[in-house]
Amino acid sequence: DTQMTQSPSSVSASVGDRVTITCRASQGLSNWLAWYQQKPGKAPKLLIYAASNLQSGVPSRFSGSGSGTDFTLTISSLQPEDFATYYCQQANSFPYTFGQGTKLEIK
Amino acid sequence: QVQLVESGGGVVQTGRSLRLSCAAFGFAFSRAAIHWVRQAPGKGLEWVAVISTDGSKTYYTDSVKGRFTISRDNSKNTVFLQMNSLRPEDTAVYYCARGVDSSGYWHDAFDMWGQGTMVTVSS
Repeated sequence: DTQMTQSPSSVSASVGDRVTITCRASQGLSNWLAWYQQKPGKAPKLLIYAASNLQSGVPSRFSGSGSGTDFTLTISSLQPEDFATYYCQQANSFPYTFGQGTKLEIK
Repeated sequence: QVQLVESGGGVVQTGRSLRLSCAAFGFAFSRAAIHWVRQAPGKGLEWVAVISTDGSKTYYTDSVKGRFTISRDNSKNTVFLQMNSLRPEDTAVYYCARGVDSSGYWHDAFDMWGQGTMVTVSS
């Protein structure tokens, strides 16, 4: 199985900050990686698919990059509604696997 | 309204069975692969299973192989997850999610999720 490692596990930031979350895969994924946002008690929401494609309706302050084994999610200017937990997911091969999550907290 | 709605969760004893349902509304269900993803209390997301559009292909994570069966009824716009021989470690919120893939080679992201249904397996 492909192991997905996110870093950091948690991060504190302020409104307006730029934040980057990284995701590393134990084997190459090409660009088959997605990013999700999850708020407490809610289902995850797709932000980015195929590493860098912004899902319809997602604000442009979210962006994704990377290929192979190393990927990043960047939020260019944090808004209050962005404080949540973020997960990466590899879609290269079954079983699909997720990173352990990055909790983004208000500083 | 375009949505997925899960049902069938509950509290069950170790070794017993439960069947979850995922009903789809407002989109071309028969053209969508459907996945189950679970989340244990306070933990991260774990992919469980997927079924192809016509039901001919299914894939599972190792920990549920031989115990869980995913199926679908396109005439009723519903996917099922039959869970047998349940274990305490199966305790989780179970989400169904629609897979989207531009490649046609099972590179799905999940663009629509249900609200989840809670399964608790007591020992």
